[in-house]
Amino acid sequence: AQTVTQSQPEMSVQEAETVTLSCTYDTSESDYYLFWYKQPPSRQMILVIRQEAYKQQNATENRFSVNFQKAAKSFSLKISDSQLGDAAMYFCALYNFNKFYFGSGTKLNVKP
Amino acid sequence: GAGVSQSPRYKVAKRGQDVALRCDPISGHVSLFWYQQALGQGPEFLTYFQNEAQLDKSGLPSDRFFAERPEGSVSTLKIQRTQQEDSAVYLCASSPGTDQETQYFGPGTRLLVL
Repeated sequence: AQTVTQSQPEMSVQEAETVTLSCTYDTSESDYYLFWYKQPPSRQMILVIRQEAYKQQNATENRFSVNFQKAAKSFSLKISDSQLGDAAMYFCALYNFNKFYFGSGTKLNVKP
Repeated sequence: GAGVSQSPRYKVAKRGQDVALRCDPISGHVSLFWYQQALGQGPEFLTYFQNEAQLDKSGLPSDRFFAERPEGSVSTLKIQRTQQEDSAVYLCASSPGTDQETQYFGPGTRLLVL
């Protein structure tokens, strides 16, 4: 079975500060992908960052970076220099066998 | 360029009614996916098409749910005899096909069954 767990239902960060969102997952596969998606109130899922499991190097996309610990099955998202526009629901997702398995999400609040 | 579009954006149905939700994928995208997102939860996989072929429908919760993509482009998710537990946001996503893990999501249809 594939499962994704996000243990932080809600987080807050001050504008311009750094925040880390946690995610753990479980899979028996060795080849898979991990993603972080952002879902603003408009409901459109927006890809933030992706990581191929076979790559040891952590992915980065501008202010967004991940800490991928394959042995621990952990995939956290760090947002640096937080901006008001970063406020949204963030979903961690595991992809294999042609389908996504999503966590329950973390609501991120950004305080001005 | 045009992204994935879904219609209607909102649908209110009385329990027992049939509903049809439409998804227009990005032009040329081979693969199309449907997800159900309950309130306060992450999306859950329903079904997947490659062109007109429905390759995986393991996530459809009951035989009241039916999806089709007859010409390999537009897809319709139909729910018969709606129940209150069907209330959710239904998301559609498409991918070019060569790397199906790159999925582009639509804005979803929020279904409320009274």
